Amino acid sequence: RKEVEQDPGPFNVPEGATVAFNCTYSNSASQSFFWYRQDCRKEPKLLMSVYSSGNEDGRFTAQLNRASQYISLLIRDSKLSDSATYLCVVNIGYGNKLVFGAGTILRVKS
Amino acid sequence: NAGVTQTPKFRVLKTGQSMTLLCAQDMNHEYMYWYRQDPGMGLRLIHYSVGEGTTAKGEVPDGYNVSRLKKQNFLLGLESAAPSQTSVYFCASITGSEQYFGPGTRLTVT
Repeated sequence: RKEVEQDPGPFNVPEGATVAFNCTYSNSASQSFFWYRQDCRKEPKLLMSVYSSGNEDGRFTAQLNRASQYISLLIRDSKLSDSATYLCVVNIGYGNKLVFGAGTILRVKS
Repeated sequence: NAGVTQTPKFRVLKTGQSMTLLCAQDMNHEYMYWYRQDPGMGLRLIHYSVGEGTTAKGEVPDGYNVSRLKKQNFLLGLESAAPSQTSVYFCASITGSEQYFGPGTRLTVT
């Protein structure tokens, strides 16, 4: 079983749609959680951290369920510029090591 | 403040050749990492360092060596390149919850 699993997609959605991505992780000792965005052939960039209480940044909302070892990202009012690959990332603690999911591809179409 | 830089950006090697990838950061970060990313897969950790003079193996260390002689630099070496090492290599440095990636090195081994 992979340490971090994501639905690879692609998710093809029209502009203005709401789309949700899910992620599960296997290491119950994982300490912190993130969503990264990666554009084609570029480096990953931090989109947002994920907290148990849930957090929101504009059109983006992230949720963490530690009991179910489940992370989600909700994007509202999708824009063309949201098209990218979204990586679920877990910090497993020792050495501040990050474990990456394979990514979910989002394509927003006009 | 240049952040994280990687040298070179592109390289083509023949099987059996050696090379060194350089990662440099000017943010005084203790932790540095080397990842590889292959199509359809998330980033996989090759080696990492938790401080000057220290290195440790990640998930896929075989065929690679690293050195961290100076805090700001983390070198990744391929002693005898193989076609299976064709990939995009990303370096990252981390402090606390802030994570920064370099722009990547695209390596092709023929």
